[in-house]
Amino acid sequence: SQTIHQWPATLVQPVGSPLSLECTVEGTSNPNLYWYRQAAGRGLQLLFYSVGIGQISSEVPQNLSASRPQDRQFILSSKKLLLSDSGFYLCAWGMGVAYNEQFFGPGTRLTVL
Amino acid sequence: SQQGEEDPQALSIQEGENATMNCSYKTSINNLQWYRQNSGRGLVHLILIRSNEREKHSGRLRVTLDTSKKSSSLLITASRAADTASYFCATYTGTASKLTFGTGTRLQVTL
Repeated sequence: SQTIHQWPATLVQPVGSPLSLECTVEGTSNPNLYWYRQAAGRGLQLLFYSVGIGQISSEVPQNLSASRPQDRQFILSSKKLLLSDSGFYLCAWGMGVAYNEQFFGPGTRLTVL
Repeated sequence: SQQGEEDPQALSIQEGENATMNCSYKTSINNLQWYRQNSGRGLVHLILIRSNEREKHSGRLRVTLDTSKKSSSLLITASRAADTASYFCATYTGTASKLTFGTGTRLQVTL
């Protein structure tokens, strides 16, 4: 069966510090991978998605970047965090067009102080 | 702007009652999905309804889709305290491999 991991679960970082959040998927090959951000009490905002290694599409201009160094690894990064980067970050995977549902990781709660 | 907008934003019912949540969207879709999110957790996929389907059932869940009105509803029958969560609709347009999520309905089921 497929599983998706995210870490860390919570993170408190000062403004201006770097960020690296990691997401890995097990039990599937060549998944589509997604990074979302959820502000408190709000819906999900798609940040990045990837359909293959090294292929990253950015949805919203921002202070963040994403990379996919391996088939089942997706990394969200920032060189210098802003207060507005605080939120709940969710990684998800899905398969192409035939299986449109997405499967989410447990999320990372990021607080930038 | 949000593709999906849920209504109501919050709903409080007693255990055993039915809960109905609505979702409206703006553009043509390939399918519409409903997800559930417990507080502080990731989302869990509940049900997917394709644009050529009008109704779908899964256990205590019933989803309807009206493409002429660009709307969908999620009915949870005989609700339980464990159904307390936020529920999101998401639309898949097929132009890219991505979903667009609404802002969610917070459901509170009390004993």
